[in-house]
Amino acid sequence: GEDVEQSLFLSVREGDSSVINCTYTDSSSTYLYWYKQEPGAGLQLLTYIFSNMDMKQDQRLTVLLNKKDKHLSLRIADTQTGDSAIYFCAESMGASGTYKYIFGTGTRLKVLA
Amino acid sequence: ETGVTQTPRHLVMGMTNKKSLKCEQHLGHNAMYWYKQSAKKPLELMFVYNFKEQTENNSVPSRFSPECPNSSHLFLHLHTLQPEDSALYLCASSQGAGTSVFNEQYFGPGTRLTVT
Repeated sequence: GEDVEQSLFLSVREGDSSVINCTYTDSSSTYLYWYKQEPGAGLQLLTYIFSNMDMKQDQRLTVLLNKKDKHLSLRIADTQTGDSAIYFCAESMGASGTYKYIFGTGTRLKVLA
Repeated sequence: ETGVTQTPRHLVMGMTNKKSLKCEQHLGHNAMYWYKQSAKKPLELMFVYNFKEQTENNSVPSRFSPECPNSSHLFLHLHTLQPEDSALYLCASSQGAGTSVFNEQYFGPGTRLTVT
């Protein structure tokens, strides 16, 4: 079956690194995504990684993918109060014409000043 | 207006009411989606429209009725809802649906629905 799991909450201190984890079940996932949802707003694509990559870095964000364990993580360096939001992991998979998109529960990140 | 807009932002309705949620995208996309966001549950895809045609209905109860008159507008008609239908309803759009494995979706801010 297709399932994406995340822990519901994470709390970190300002300036520390945050690591948000995600596990997925479908080994045919081709792209994995991280979306951010700020209070009162919709989801916004933060970053993504193609399944043949192990790591992707974008400024303060580092995405790590372990295909063997079906584990995806998002590391935010020097976490700021503005990073407080819900972070959703998502995967896309399937064959041409029938691609599907599965989201996780979201992890609520709270950054303490 | 830019991006994806949704109206109303908040809605309180009784179980016997009929109401509609509206979504509009100004991005020139061909696919539109309705999602339900409930606390502690995965984001739940409800309906997908691609070029105005419904391509996915994830076993959604018939008290939710979608309508897509054109690629820019999407409605969700609600009638005889239950209290457990209270949630944030998100609309999204993308270039296409199901045609490309990479698919960035653009979301609206959602409608917070409370059923009393």
